[in-house]
Amino acid sequence: GAGVSQTPSNKVTEKGKYVELRCDPISGHTALYWYRQSLGQGPEFLIYFQGTGAADDSGLPNDRFFAVRPEGSVSTLKIQRTERGDSAVYLCASSLVAGFEETQYFGPGTRLLVL
Amino acid sequence: DAKTTQPTSMDCAEGRAANLPCNHSTISGNEYVYWYRQIHSQGPQYIIHGLKNNETNEMASLIITEDRKSSTLILPHATLRDTAVYYCIVRSWNYGGATNKLIFGTGTLLAVQP
Repeated sequence: GAGVSQTPSNKVTEKGKYVELRCDPISGHTALYWYRQSLGQGPEFLIYFQGTGAADDSGLPNDRFFAVRPEGSVSTLKIQRTERGDSAVYLCASSLVAGFEETQYFGPGTRLLVL
Repeated sequence: DAKTTQPTSMDCAEGRAANLPCNHSTISGNEYVYWYRQIHSQGPQYIIHGLKNNETNEMASLIITEDRKSSTLILPHATLRDTAVYYCIVRSWNYGGATNKLIFGTGTLLAVQP
């Protein structure tokens, strides 16, 4: 079946601009996660949703970052006033449920470059 | 979540077993050991997880020492497609569901040589 999909696959923007990154989880998965991966590093947790609500947003670096999941399926990560340091691969993952021994399935990521 | 230590890189000959070590000396009783891998330009992929017993699935085997302070991921017959960064992650769980995030280190780059 279809896995987690993310669009766009690549995004180039200028410093100060606003960007939106989209994630389509596996159908029926109730939990959705966003991670960010800088070059040479492992992924870093940003936020996770259980259904429509953000259950843990402790990884969002500052208030320029915001994510929504209004209908409990597709999620959008929004970054305002982008900075060059925001350049990274943004990964989305989903799991059937959020909890004990659940497996997170990752999408291919969106590569964001801020010039 | 407990911190893990892995070698930065390893080589393995194609067709041979790849043994990837991980130290997690501060692991506590309710923490599981998870392994994910990330092939170049792809998202991480789940491999296997365990608590204290050895585990095996179609991808790999996981050997956890009796004191649980270290573990080894074994790919029994490595192929070129197994070249990837392998992450060992220790996760706690509770019924409150507050620890669902994965905390990745920098992992081990496994290079399978022809």
